[in-house]
Amino acid sequence: KAGVTQTPRYLIKTRGQQVTLSCSPISGHRSVSWYQQTPGQGLQFLFEYFSETQRNKGNFPGRFSGRQFSNSRSEMNVSTLELGDSALYLCASSLAGRAGNTIYFGEGSWLTVV
Amino acid sequence: AQSVAQPEDQVNVAEGNPLTVKCTYSVSGNPYLFWYVQYPNRGLQFLLKYITGDNLVKGSYGFEAEFNKSQTSFHLKKPSALVSDSALYFCAVRDNSGGYQKVTFGTGTKLQVIP
Repeated sequence: KAGVTQTPRYLIKTRGQQVTLSCSPISGHRSVSWYQQTPGQGLQFLFEYFSETQRNKGNFPGRFSGRQFSNSRSEMNVSTLELGDSALYLCASSLAGRAGNTIYFGEGSWLTVV
Repeated sequence: AQSVAQPEDQVNVAEGNPLTVKCTYSVSGNPYLFWYVQYPNRGLQFLLKYITGDNLVKGSYGFEAEFNKSQTSFHLKKPSALVSDSALYFCAVRDNSGGYQKVTFGTGTKLQVIP
């Protein structure tokens, strides 16, 4: 059974550009969440989707957005990139979006903003 | 509001010795608690979770954790550390009350197992 797949794995963008990251959850999983990981801030929650609806949102500016498609695949977009957006972006999925469900992480997308 | 604390940035232990990585939490209702491990340049891997029932939870790679409600703790333990256990460990909590809450992660504890 394939795990959570994130693409691209590595990318370099210029300040002011935008970026779209993609996440394919484990087959059958309907909940997808996104996290930003940086050395200084640790693991920060971005947002969570279940059945195409955003269920929770973290404390990030509106430049960060996401969506989930009917096949549970998810994308997150960051517009007007800033140097501070350089981070590892992690996607995670869980079976049915219940609080006790285990969330499983992908390998992440490394974003460098120059 | 829910929160989780990992009081130690780094834990050093000799190979073969028992290890403990500490975690305390704060929730309004009952907690769901999780431990994850992250190896360099990798995503997080699930180790174990506490939902309800037995306070001692066993997980992957010989790890276990003990839920202590009175001390609001969920410490990760292993009887005999391996060098390959060296990694970054995250504790996480989700409140089981007041609607569907997001998962909150601790700041992580770097475990260094010394040969």
